[in-house]
Amino acid sequence: KQEVTQIPAALSVPEGENLVLNCSFTDSAIYNLQWFRQDPGKGLTSLLLIQSSQREQTSGRLNASLDKSSGRSTLYIAASQPGDSATYLCAVKRFGNEKLTFGTGTRLTIIP
Amino acid sequence: AAGVIQSPRHLIKEKRETATLKCYPIPRHDTVYWYQQGPGQDPQFLISFYEKMQSDKGSIPDRFSAQQFSDYHSELNMSSLELGDSALYFCASSRTGGNSPLHFGNGTRLTVT
Repeated sequence: KQEVTQIPAALSVPEGENLVLNCSFTDSAIYNLQWFRQDPGKGLTSLLLIQSSQREQTSGRLNASLDKSSGRSTLYIAASQPGDSATYLCAVKRFGNEKLTFGTGTRLTIIP
Repeated sequence: AAGVIQSPRHLIKEKRETATLKCYPIPRHDTVYWYQQGPGQDPQFLISFYEKMQSDKGSIPDRFSAQQFSDYHSELNMSSLELGDSALYFCASSRTGGNSPLHFGNGTRLTVT
């Protein structure tokens, strides 16, 4: 059974700093990995999707990496802003399976 | 750009009542997913549909059922509601192809009293 873990559960960082969020998964037979952000009481916004054959994806100040063999992904946020404050979730999709398995999320607070 | 539309946004029901949640996927998306997110929890997969046929099933209680209609919208029907069913219910859609990202709606917050 796939288990997805995100550590730390919460992170506070001063505005302007670069930061890294971590995601670990137990079953490396994944099809892709997706990073989302969720604002309190709101839906999930897709940030980046990395296919199993890819090593990283970039969108603006965000860069996501994937190391399948070690079961790890990171989300790098450059020059953090208060608007980046949210919960960040990673989710993996297995081969032959439609569902996403979500991590427990990291609640990020950017301090102005 | 069009997003996934869910209705209603909020729903309050009493125990043992029924509820119906609706989801309108992004145009040309042929796969719909339903997720349940309890307070402080990560989203849990309930069920998915591809081309109006159930494609995968997760931890969906027998009291719940869902279907996808000819116009690709989907409905989640919940009967004999329990207090523990109080949660955010998300619908997501994607295009065929395993590497198509899922796009989520803003969810329906169900409160069972």
